[in-house]
Amino acid sequence: GENVEQHPSTLSVQEGDSAVIKCTYSDSASNYFPWYKQELGKRPQLIIDIRSNVGEKKDQRIAVTLNKTAKHFSLHITETQPEDSAVYFCAADGSGAGSYQLTFGKGTKLSVIP
Amino acid sequence: NAGVTQTPKFQVLKTGQSMTLQCAQDMNHEYMSWYRQDPGMGLRLIHYSVGAGITDQGEVPNGYNVSRSTTEDFPLRLLSAAPSQTSVYFCASSYSGGTTEAFFGQGTRLTVV
Repeated sequence: GENVEQHPSTLSVQEGDSAVIKCTYSDSASNYFPWYKQELGKRPQLIIDIRSNVGEKKDQRIAVTLNKTAKHFSLHITETQPEDSAVYFCAADGSGAGSYQLTFGKGTKLSVIP
Repeated sequence: NAGVTQTPKFQVLKTGQSMTLQCAQDMNHEYMSWYRQDPGMGLRLIHYSVGAGITDQGEVPNGYNVSRSTTEDFPLRLLSAAPSQTSVYFCASSYSGGTTEAFFGQGTRLTVV
């Protein structure tokens, strides 16, 4: 099945700096790569996603890039703000029967220091 | 439109007890799933369902049972609770399995003593 590795596990940045979180996946047939943000004590919520036919996608201060050849994708947050502090999860779908499943990375705890 | 609703929010069980975590969605999604979240382990899939009457195992199914009699409801049963099942449980639904946005419930924090 799909295996998703996420790095780093913790990340501290100064307010206004950029943050980058990287994920690798194992199934070359994966096509859907979402990112979820989970604030303390809350449920995970989708912040951005990308599909395999696109190399980059932006939404205001958030962007995701995908390199299918290398099987990795990254989340970029620019001009970080204290409210960006949260745990971020990357995920990937599988192929065949696994296409019904999302496999998540272990998460990155982002702390934005005012 | 409530989205995905889980009950209860908190539960303490004694080892060996059984219980059912409830999950309901009002988005008419065919796909529903249960995850457990443990510190440093991310979200791991327990069971999932692609429609009423159809369920399948995920990554960590042992000790859990599910059924899907309606599109709206997907309960998770702990058959004989063990301390290793202490975790936060999330139910999720989506329009199309792993290829579209998953909407999560608010979670159930379960402690087994």
